[in-house]
Amino acid sequence: DQQVKQNSPSLSVQEGRISILNCDYTNSMFDYFLWYKKYPAEGPTFLISISSIKDKNEDGRFTVFLNKSAKHLSLHIVPSQPGDSAVYFCAASENSGGSNYKLTFGKGTLLTVNP
Amino acid sequence: DSGVTQTPKHLITATGQRVTLRCSPRSGDLSVYWYQQSLDQGLQFLIQYYNGEERAKGNILERFSAQQFPDLHSELNLSSLELGDSALYFCASSRGGANTGELFFGEGSRLTVL
Repeated sequence: DQQVKQNSPSLSVQEGRISILNCDYTNSMFDYFLWYKKYPAEGPTFLISISSIKDKNEDGRFTVFLNKSAKHLSLHIVPSQPGDSAVYFCAASENSGGSNYKLTFGKGTLLTVNP
Repeated sequence: DSGVTQTPKHLITATGQRVTLRCSPRSGDLSVYWYQQSLDQGLQFLIQYYNGEERAKGNILERFSAQQFPDLHSELNLSSLELGDSALYFCASSRGGANTGELFFGEGSRLTVL
């Protein structure tokens, strides 16, 4: 049973346009959400996160939106750049503190930004 | 460079064998996490250690075991290997409980079981 779902395996956008990556979750106990980016032959790297008490978090070109009632979050990249081409993983956690911690990941979405 | 070091980067072995994957966390990080990424799958959480003690467990098979040593490096032992164990195994670390949500991942160890 997948608790974090990224239903689009791939997304292709034009340079300069907006990229929107979507993620749905089923576990209502999740209270912290993250996006990781992964280039080939590298480990995932943290991109941006959002706590369940917020509905939006922005960091430069990256904005994450959280809709708790719909159990849905999205990552917006504006403007998209060719260097953004990577696999993006959505992740969620139900522990927002303490020393035990577990992230549940989606399967990832391959973003390709065309010049 | 995340500061997390994993060895070996690639490993090819046969069914029934046993292998050990090693992880050195970032300097000062107390928590180590192991994840498995199989073909077309997301990262599956296996296990977390915090300062030498097991803290959280995921869908880790009984054939797999891990430990964290006093110097905080960790090893993941995979035994009686099966074809389906072929995957990319990631180690990640965090300062403490990672309540900021950020884990630092190594480049992974790619295991191929023939």
